[in-house]
Amino acid sequence: QPVLTQSSSASASLGSSVKLTCTLSSGHSNYIIAWHQQQPGKAPRFLMKVEGSGSYNKGTGVPDRFSGSSSGADRYLTISNLQSEDEADYYCETWDSKTYVFGTGTKVTVL
Amino acid sequence: EVQLVESGGGLVQPGGSLRLSCAASGFTFSSYSMNWVRQAPGKGLEWISYITSSSSSIYYADSVKGRFTMSRDNAKNSLYLQMNSLRDEDTAVYYCARVVSSTGTASWGQGTLVTVSS
Repeated sequence: QPVLTQSSSASASLGSSVKLTCTLSSGHSNYIIAWHQQQPGKAPRFLMKVEGSGSYNKGTGVPDRFSGSSSGADRYLTISNLQSEDEADYYCETWDSKTYVFGTGTKVTVL
Repeated sequence: EVQLVESGGGLVQPGGSLRLSCAASGFTFSSYSMNWVRQAPGKGLEWISYITSSSSSIYYADSVKGRFTMSRDNAKNSLYLQMNSLRDEDTAVYYCARVVSSTGTASWGQGTLVTVSS
């Protein structure tokens, strides 16, 4: 089954950009992944799916500041014009025929 | 608007049982596969079970296999998780989630807290 690797933390200044990485394990580099945001004390929220081609599709109401991209086994989530409400945990997710897998999450701090 | 509302959480002793429910609205429930995902205090998300729209296939994470049973009632727009032989490590917030083909988990409920403790 696939494994997803995420860095544990990232930080950037208010109004700047941050790029988060989710890396798929060997043999799964063409998998689609989904990004989810979890603000403190809240349920997760679906942000977007990102395909191996680099195309991405966002969920309803997700601000334009959020975008996705891809390179090889890496899937990216870029947050531009960082806002205070973007301080949250971000998880990537993928799936196989009989299982779903989440990354360990990246905690984003807005400085 | 998609709404998923979990219920049934609470405090239970180790070895005990609990049944979680998830009421779905705002979409054609019978057309979608569903997931249960949990999150232990201070920890990340853990997928635990998946069911297809017709209940023809159900899959479990190894951590709950043989102890948890996922089911659904499409006539009632409801999803269930029967949890038996509960352990301390099952303490978590449990989320039901709608799965969209080629997208993964696309909608989340607000979660229900299960605490396993003596």
